[in-house]
Formats: sequence, C-alpha cells, structure tokens
Amino acid sequence: KAGVTQTPRYLIKTRGQQVTLSCSPISGHRSVSWYQQTPGQGLQFLFEYFSETQRNKGNFPGRFSGRQFSNSRSEMNVSTLELGDSALYLCASSFDSSLPNQPQHFGDGTRLSIL
Amino acid sequence: AQSVTQLGSHVSVSEGALVLLRCNYSSSVPPYLFWYVQYPNQGLQLLLKYTSAATLVKGINGFEAEFKKSETSFHLTKPSAHMSDAAEYFCAVSDLWGGSQGNLIFGKGTKLSVKP
Repeated sequence: KAGVTQTPRYLIKTRGQQVTLSCSPISGHRSVSWYQQTPGQGLQFLFEYFSETQRNKGNFPGRFSGRQFSNSRSEMNVSTLELGDSALYLCASSFDSSLPNQPQHFGDGTRLSIL
Repeated sequence: AQSVTQLGSHVSVSEGALVLLRCNYSSSVPPYLFWYVQYPNQGLQLLLKYTSAATLVKGINGFEAEFKKSETSFHLTKPSAHMSDAAEYFCAVSDLWGGSQGNLIFGKGTKLSVKP
C-alpha cells in the first residue's frame, strides 16, 4: 500500500510569487491535514480537509489556502510568498479523523525555499 | 487550549543506555496523545498513541510511553538505545472531542543523539 505522496519534494521561489503543493493520501483515506514545519516555530497546523470540505483551520493568514478533490487528493496554495514562508510543508492523511483511534500518516514533505 | 511541552531540546545517551524523553500536556478534556519520530529529510512516523485504552502504551522499535493523568505526562522510554534511534522526536496532542484528530498540536521536539 503506497504511503502519502507529496510533490514536488523541493521547490525554490522568489518573494511575491505563488506556489501550489500537492498531496496524495493513502488509498481509502479521506482526511487530509497540512502542517508547516520551521526551526523557529516548529510544527504548526495549517488546515484539514475531509470529503472536499475544510474541517479545521489553523492560525495562518489568508495567503494560505487549500482544497481537496473528489479523489481525496489535496493541494495547498500560498500566494504573495514571503521569506518567512520558507519551511517544510507536511501533509498527513487518515481514514476519517473524526473517528477515534485514527492516527495520521505523514508524507515526506515539500521543502519550500524563498529567495 | 491544549498544549504540549517537551523538556529538553537535545538529549544525548550512550548506545545501550536508557532513553527517556519527557512530554507534559495541558488539556481540559481527555486527550489523545501521540509520539512521532522524524529522521532527516523525512516526514513523521508514528511511534505510538494513547487513546485511553491502557495507560502503558507499547509502540514500534521497542519504545513505550506511560500516560500519567496526575502528572499530565506522557514520557517516552526505551530500555536500550541503538544508533539507529538517533532522530528528532515529537510529542503531540489532539482533541477528538473538538470534532477531529486532524488538528495535532506538537511539542517543539527533542533531538536524540546516541553515542557509540
């Protein structure tokens, strides 16, 4: 069974640009969450999707957005990139995060560098 | 609001020695607690989880953790460290009663070094 797949693995952008990251969850999983990992702030929750609907949202500006497709694949978009957006972006999936005993499975992340 | 505190950003042990990584949580409702491990340039791998079934939880790679409500702790232990255990470890809490476990709150992480 394939794990969570994130593409691309590495990305370099400049300030002001926008970027789209992709996440394919484990087959059968319908919940997808996104996290940002930086040395200073650690791991922070961005948002969670379930069946194409945003279920939860973290404390990030509106430049960060996401969506989920009918096949459960998810994308996140960051517009007007800032230097502080340089981070490892992690995606995690579970069958249905509202059910008990549903741990999240993480992908290897997309390393985004802003120049 | 829930929170997690990991005591010690770096822990160093000798190969074969006991590993103890500390985690304290704050939660107003019964928590779901997790330990994850991250190797360089990789994502997070679940080591073990506490979901109220048993206070002593056994995980992969010989790790275990004990939930102590009175101390609001969920420390991770392993009797004998291996070189391959060198990695960063994260304690996390989620609030299913808030509707979803999809929002994990992580501690700052503890980097474990293992000396030969």
